[in-house]
Amino acid sequence: QVQVEQSGGEVKKPGASVKVSCKASGHTFSGFGISWVRQAPGQGLEWMGWVSVYNGDTNYTQKYQGRVTMTTDASTNTAYMELTNLRSDDTAVYYCGVNSGYSYGSIDFWGQGTLVTVSS
Amino acid sequence: QSVLAQPPSVSGAPGQRVTISCTGISSNIGAGHDVHWYQQLPGTAPKLLIYGSTDRPSGVPDRFSGSKSGTSASLAITGLQADDEADYYCQSYDGSLSAWVFGGGTKLTVL
Repeated sequence: QVQVEQSGGEVKKPGASVKVSCKASGHTFSGFGISWVRQAPGQGLEWMGWVSVYNGDTNYTQKYQGRVTMTTDASTNTAYMELTNLRSDDTAVYYCGVNSGYSYGSIDFWGQGTLVTVSS
Repeated sequence: QSVLAQPPSVSGAPGQRVTISCTGISSNIGAGHDVHWYQQLPGTAPKLLIYGSTDRPSGVPDRFSGSKSGTSASLAITGLQADDEADYYCQSYDGSLSAWVFGGGTKLTVL
């Protein structure tokens, strides 16, 4: 079983950047993909993108291209998602999830979520 | 407006069966891409419920089942229980967008 632990909540001002971490344990990290999903208050899930732990390949949804960077550090089993030029509508819970291979694209194990609040 | 269409809400009495539909188009479900389903209990992170359109991870009761046909998929829940009250989301890959997409979510109420 894979456990996923995310960093704590953040409060940021408009225009700032935020970097959320996501640490996986309980399995070989190098074979994973890491997906990032966000959920605005009272809204549904929104897929932001994916990063391969194996080779660093990324796939970002068009909406976030140019503002988001997803990286991994296999030495610490940790993934990161950085979002720049924050706006008030970026206020959301950000989830990371592990694609461990159950099926193509399935997010098999989820972190607890990180609330990012953007407010002046 | 989500790429995958789900009913906003469904309801059923304890012990009954309910189904939640997930309707796509030719670039996602209709292209043969698998559908995954997630359960999000109130105030918690989503949890994988069905993967590969029909398979259950270890620990998910067989009361939950998935199916797919054409441009649609469905999640069926039999023997409804009070703790099934949650939001349910479908997910698939969209080749036109080159991205994974979620349905808008369906709130299940157990009467």
